[in-house]
Amino acid sequence: AQKVTQAQTEISVVEKEDVTLDCVYETRDTTYYLFWYKQPPSGELVFLIRRNSFDEQNEISGRYSWNFQKSTSSFNFTITASQVVDSAVYFCALSEIYAGGTSYGKLTFGQGTILTVHP
Amino acid sequence: NAGVTQTPKFQVLKTGQSMTLQCAQDMNHEYMSWYRQDPGMGLRLIHYSVGAGITDQGEVPNGYNVSRSTTEDFPLRLLSAAPSQTSVYFCASRGLAGVLGEQFFGPGTRLTVL
Repeated sequence: AQKVTQAQTEISVVEKEDVTLDCVYETRDTTYYLFWYKQPPSGELVFLIRRNSFDEQNEISGRYSWNFQKSTSSFNFTITASQVVDSAVYFCALSEIYAGGTSYGKLTFGQGTILTVHP
Repeated sequence: NAGVTQTPKFQVLKTGQSMTLQCAQDMNHEYMSWYRQDPGMGLRLIHYSVGAGITDQGEVPNGYNVSRSTTEDFPLRLLSAAPSQTSVYFCASRGLAGVLGEQFFGPGTRLTVL
C-alpha cells in the first residue's frame, strides 16, 4: 500500500522568510509519480509540479523549488521569500506507474500542510 | 473549454436522504475519479473510471455508487446519506495516453449531512 506523510500540519511564517514543506512517501513500486498541489482559501486544487521517480533532478520554478531524494523517499517543497499569497494548504501526492509507462492517475495524498504567511 | 465542472457547489442533506453529485468534463478524458477531502486526512479516492462503462472502487467506496455511461459524465450517488459523509467532494479527470500529465480537478462540492 502507498502512503504519503506530511509531517507539518501547520506552518506560520512572516513574509519574505523561506519555508520548506516536508513530504515523505512509502511505495513498493519502483516507478511512480510525485506531485504537489496548492489549495488556496478559495478551495480549488492547483497543480504545481509532477516528478517521475526515475528523474532525481531538483527543479526550480521562480520562488518554488523541489528537492527529490529517492534514497530517503522524500520530496520536499521550498518557497523562497514567501508572500502572503502563498498562504494555502499544500498537498503532496503519489501515483503508481503501470506497465507500459502510463498511470490511471489514482493519487494517494498526504494530509496537507496549512501554510500561513503573515505580512 | 469549461474543464471539469461540478454541481451543486453546496448541499445540505438530512440523514437517509439520497442525492447525486454531478461531474462533467469536456476534454474527452478517459480517466475520471472522485475524491473526498476531510480535515487532517487529505484527499481520499472514492471511485474511479478508466472509460465509459468501466468503474472501480478506490480507498473509501462504502456508501457511494458510480456509473459511467458517457465519456463526459461521472456522477456520484449517495443512496442513504450519513453524517460521516459530510465532506468536500472533488471530481478529477485526465487523459490516459502517454505519460501522466496534469490531473484536472473540479471546483468541489461541499456536502453537509445533518
